[in-house]
Amino acid sequence: DSGVTQTPKHLITATGQRVTLRCSPRSGDLSVYWYQQSLDQGLQFLIQYYNGEERAKGNILERFSAQQFPDLHSELNLSSLELGDSALYFCASSDPFSHEQFFGPGTRLTVL
Amino acid sequence: ELKVEQNPLFLSMQEGKNYTIYCNYSTTSDRLYWYRQDPGKSLESLFVLLSNGAVKQEGRLMASLDTKARLSTLHITAAVHDLSATYFCAVATTSGTYKYIFGTGTRLKVLA
Repeated sequence: DSGVTQTPKHLITATGQRVTLRCSPRSGDLSVYWYQQSLDQGLQFLIQYYNGEERAKGNILERFSAQQFPDLHSELNLSSLELGDSALYFCASSDPFSHEQFFGPGTRLTVL
Repeated sequence: ELKVEQNPLFLSMQEGKNYTIYCNYSTTSDRLYWYRQDPGKSLESLFVLLSNGAVKQEGRLMASLDTKARLSTLHITAAVHDLSATYFCAVATTSGTYKYIFGTGTRLKVLA
């Protein structure tokens, strides 16, 4: 158990819908990262937050947005969903000194 | 632009054999990470390498870092079936704009 939690574990929805994925980092970690992993694909970095502020942006679509709240949990919002958005979405938090990342269990999103 | 390349992408090996996975990166970095991912599961941190010449070992896996060559290796000794997984390296740069990039992953299958 990495100490990073994600909910929900599974999500099935239809095209055009909007969903919210939630992540709580390890106690004491200020950074949260979001990644997308499609079937048989590598990890695509989406976005990073540090102590409530956006710090780095990767290949995140305009239909996707995220935020980090004062209690440091983060939410990833995916809207106007398409079939191609079906993937595993991981959240990670990082050790403030080594920057080692600890991954949550992931949310498996299926768009029908 | 920071690029991280792993090879091979796929590796099928017999139990008891040795092999090495390579991770090359394109820009100066002082920290490199190795992760393991089982199918459908999250990523598990294996090694954190924070300086040139760093070597770390855990069981049948040994990781090393050569920052001058911009190369890290993950050496597998006397492979066993339980090592079958996908292995990712990741590189972080903390100078300038912070970036954390994963390699493409190496899918390892150890045959009994």
